[in-house]
Amino acid sequence: QKEVEQDPGPLSVPEGAIVSLNCTYSNSAFQYFMWYRQYSRKGPELLMYTYSSGNKEDGRFTAQVDKSSKYISLFIRDSQPSDSATYLCAMRGTGNQFYFGTGTSLTVIP
Amino acid sequence: EAGVVQSPRYKIIEKKQPVAFWCNPISGHNTLYWYRQNLGQGPELLIRYENEEAVDDSQLPKDRFSAERLKGVDSTLKIQPAELGDSAVYLCASSLDGTNEKLFFGSGTQLSVL
Repeated sequence: QKEVEQDPGPLSVPEGAIVSLNCTYSNSAFQYFMWYRQYSRKGPELLMYTYSSGNKEDGRFTAQVDKSSKYISLFIRDSQPSDSATYLCAMRGTGNQFYFGTGTSLTVIP
Repeated sequence: EAGVVQSPRYKIIEKKQPVAFWCNPISGHNTLYWYRQNLGQGPELLIRYENEEAVDDSQLPKDRFSAERLKGVDSTLKIQPAELGDSAVYLCASSLDGTNEKLFFGSGTQLSVL
């Protein structure tokens, strides 16, 4: 079993839709949870990070962590064509190793 | 402020040839990472440096891969000889230190081995 599971999609939504991206994980020691956005032919860019359980909001983006279910989500409100990218979840425990999901490809159609 | 700089952006070589990638991290970042990203996959760690010391190279295929970060700043990753299965994007990332959860990535080097 992989440390982090992420549905690869692809996901296609109309502009203005609410997008929900999810990851599950198996290691209960994970404490830091991150979402990266990766445009085509670019490196991943840190979008959101949260520590432990709870919600964190930044503009149109909300990151949610449920440690009891080992489940994290990223919500994008009022999605825009510029949000079209691959979204990677990543996690880290008390050690210094990051574990990445496989990424979900998102296309927002104008 | 300049981000993580990598070169070259693209490299096409024949199998059994050597290849090298270069990375200059964000100024002041002590921790440097090399990742490999296969198509449709997330980045996988190859090696992590704390300053000039390689503190995690457990996933580096040492028979053909080598890396160095001599002065604790920029770094080079080398493959010799390259194999067809090495075709991937090689990403460099840096962070302030090893306990910091914020990784900053370069644009990567797209390697194609023919």
